[in-house]
Amino acid sequence: AQSVAQPEDQVNVAEGNPLTVKCTYSVSGNPYLFWYVQYPNRGLQFLLKYITGDNLVKGSYGFEAEFNKSQTSFHLKKPSALVSDSALYFCAVSLISGGYNKLIFGAGTRLAVHP
Amino acid sequence: ETGVTQSPTHLIKTRGQQVTLRCSSQSGHNTVSWYQQALGQGPQFIFQYYREEENGRGNFPPRFSGLQFPNYSSELNVNALELDDSALYLCASSFVGGRAADTQYFGPGTRLTVL
Repeated sequence: AQSVAQPEDQVNVAEGNPLTVKCTYSVSGNPYLFWYVQYPNRGLQFLLKYITGDNLVKGSYGFEAEFNKSQTSFHLKKPSALVSDSALYFCAVSLISGGYNKLIFGAGTRLAVHP
Repeated sequence: ETGVTQSPTHLIKTRGQQVTLRCSSQSGHNTVSWYQQALGQGPQFIFQYYREEENGRGNFPPRFSGLQFPNYSSELNVNALELDDSALYLCASSFVGGRAADTQYFGPGTRLTVL
């Protein structure tokens, strides 16, 4: 079955330190991978996506993600965390089935950045 | 913020009732997808509409139905509400359905509580 796993329920990091939120995937064929962020009582905001090409993808708000095909991973990173980065982060893979595409999400990782 | 809007923000219904949720797509987008996000979980794909036709459905029963209108706005209807239908319902629009690389942009969601 095609799936996405986020092995950490919560990640804690001090403000100013680098952060990593982990994601692994299991899909057949080429993966199309996405990261979204969800703030309390809000919908999902798109951060970045990997389609093809450079394994390091840069996105919004200083976030980037590294695609690693051999490890089937797509970890989200940021060099220096901000308290305002505290939120729920979702990794997703986009799948085509018939004539439509759908996102398969991981369970989410809560990021807590402490002052 | 995306241009995707949803109404209402919150809704409380009782078991057995019917509910209609509404979504207005981002300008220029002709595809709408609906997702259900239960508490503490990642969003689950319900269905996708493209040019007023349902072109894909996830693992949800027929009492979940939808419509897309000529202006690409959309409705999600749920009949015979059950307690487990309590969730955040997210609408997402994209430029063209059926392409895995397309980004889906989410609205703020409708929080449905079934008592």
